[in-house]
Amino acid sequence: GAGVSQSPSNKVTEKGKDVELRCDPISGHTALYWYRQSLGQGLEFLIYFQGNSAPDKSGLPSDRFSAERTGGSVSTLTIQRTQQEDSAVYLCASSLVSGVWTDTQYFGPGTRLTVL
Amino acid sequence: DQQVKQNSPSLSVQEGRISILNCDYTNSMFDYFLWYKKYPAEGPTFLISISSIKDKNEDGRFTVFLNKSAKHLSLHIVPSQPGDSAVYFCAARRTGGYQKVTFGTGTKLQVIP
Repeated sequence: GAGVSQSPSNKVTEKGKDVELRCDPISGHTALYWYRQSLGQGLEFLIYFQGNSAPDKSGLPSDRFSAERTGGSVSTLTIQRTQQEDSAVYLCASSLVSGVWTDTQYFGPGTRLTVL
Repeated sequence: DQQVKQNSPSLSVQEGRISILNCDYTNSMFDYFLWYKKYPAEGPTFLISISSIKDKNEDGRFTVFLNKSAKHLSLHIVPSQPGDSAVYFCAARRTGGYQKVTFGTGTKLQVIP
């Protein structure tokens, strides 16, 4: 079956512009996560969606970052007024059930964002 | 505050030998640990996990060891193969409601043919 897909695969933008990154999770997965990986860094948690619950936004680095998940499926991560430090690979992951020991996150290929 | 640390950014091993990737954690509340493998231009893929009630979990060529007192875990790959060349991320979480996974910075493994 289809895995997690993300678009675009690469995005180059100018400082100050807004960008939208899209994630299509695996069908039926109720949990969706956004991470980012900056150069030389680990995977930094950004935001988590689980079903109809309020999202956990505790990882968002600033109020320029926001995300939504429409209809419990597709998610969009929006970065407003991009800065050069926002340059990173943005990864989306989904899992079937969260809070369970054996639930595994399945990652998409990521979107490489470059802010000039 | 890096709660999951992989102090070796890279590792080179000859094909057929053992690869040992190390990971340390600081949060004593973590009770479930995972290893992910990442090839270039792809997302990480789950490799193996271990819960804190165990000290070893084996899956084929991959074995994860957990030393809770030292807050240390390691991934052993035996024998190493060129296709194992990738970045390996250690990750940890704790149970109890929703708990997000905390990832380490990764170790790039190169298996030399």
